[in-house]
Amino acid sequence: QKEVEQNSGPLSVPEGAIASLNCTYSDRVSQSFFWYRQYSGKSPELIMSIYSNGDKEDGRFTAQLNKASQYVSLLIRDSQPSDSATYLCAVNLGGYSTLTFGKGTMLLVSP
Amino acid sequence: DVKVTQSSRYLVKRTGEKVFLECVQDMDHENMFWYRQDPGLGLRLIYFSYDVKMKEKGDIPEGYSVSREKKERFSLILESASTNQTSMYLCASSRAGGAEQFFGPGTRLTVL
Repeated sequence: QKEVEQNSGPLSVPEGAIASLNCTYSDRVSQSFFWYRQYSGKSPELIMSIYSNGDKEDGRFTAQLNKASQYVSLLIRDSQPSDSATYLCAVNLGGYSTLTFGKGTMLLVSP
Repeated sequence: DVKVTQSSRYLVKRTGEKVFLECVQDMDHENMFWYRQDPGLGLRLIYFSYDVKMKEKGDIPEGYSVSREKKERFSLILESASTNQTSMYLCASSRAGGAEQFFGPGTRLTVL
């Protein structure tokens, strides 16, 4: 069965630290990978997309993709309390335009 | 910016009622999606559409139907609401050939 797996957390980090969120997926054909942030009671917000192996940086966020290991991660540098949210990994398993979402990792950043 | 709007933020309905949830996007996206999100189960795809009048079943279509008469509008219909359909319903859209989806604010539906 095609799946996207994330540790549910919570992942607790102190303010200013680096938060590392991980995601594995089951399908080698997948080509598009996304990270969404979801605050409690709100809808998911797209924060990063990555399509090729390696790192992609956007401000304090870095997405890392390793297709051989079927692994994608999100690093948040200088974590802030406002980063406290659930982070969803999404993958287009099988190469389709539909996305399969992981269940999310809750991140808690303490002041 | 992509804007996806949903008709209601909160909705309370009775068992057996017919429920309409509407979604509108203003970015001329070809693809539109309906999900439900439940604690511990994550986001699950109900239906999606690649074009006007076209629909495809997602992972959990039972008890739901959809309508797409215009490109910008995608409706989710609960023919006879049941308590197990109490959930957060999320609409999303994406351009043709792109997997990047943008979500509306969601509708929290309670069926009593």
